[in-house]
Amino acid sequence: GAGVSQSPRYKVAKRGQDVALRCDPISGHVSLFWYQQALGQGPEFLTYFQNEAQLDKSGLPSDRFFAERPEGSVSTLKIQRTQQEDSAVYLCASSLTSGSPGETQYFGPGTRLLVL
Amino acid sequence: KNQVEQSPQSLIILEGKNCTLQCNYTVSPFSNLRWYKQDTGRGPVSLTIMTFSENTKSNGRYTATLDADTKQSSLHITASQLSDSASYICVVPNAGNMLTFGGGTRLMVKP
Repeated sequence: GAGVSQSPRYKVAKRGQDVALRCDPISGHVSLFWYQQALGQGPEFLTYFQNEAQLDKSGLPSDRFFAERPEGSVSTLKIQRTQQEDSAVYLCASSLTSGSPGETQYFGPGTRLLVL
Repeated sequence: KNQVEQSPQSLIILEGKNCTLQCNYTVSPFSNLRWYKQDTGRGPVSLTIMTFSENTKSNGRYTATLDADTKQSSLHITASQLSDSASYICVVPNAGNMLTFGGGTRLMVKP
């Protein structure tokens, strides 16, 4: 089935490198979310898009993190000058309409980022 | 302080046994609570959603309960199977309608 896909699945970066993580949501889904999940922890919200509009980026930990969804479908999370504390799994989720709390979010498998 | 706390952090049970996972939340106002299952290396998958008026909801061998007065929820797994080994995450939307996740309970079912 055509679920949420993410690439790459694994990424190893040297400290200071820039990385780009891709998310392909379920076709036709309006809302897209990015989460960061540290080892052994629950996911934490990073940012939210409704179509191409980034409606909430309050969870982005620093200005090194940047997300975009220019055509309202595929999204890219970019991390500049990566630091070791950026090591985590980055999860993408999509939902059919407005992303209201009652609406199911469908998660991708995540990208596991390791910064050395 | 995390607004969604889960216990225990980890749990090991034998195949066929039952177990109960706990979730306490302080998120307010309350709209709903979800339990997600996250297999290793995979994204979370929704198991059940509880709204304010619901006390109990079942999904196969999974039964979730909600006490909105005490702000507690539990997830009971009956007749556990090896495939139940996963992290179980309790999720409550915050005032900004963004999801607040608990830290999860890591369940291991042994044969």
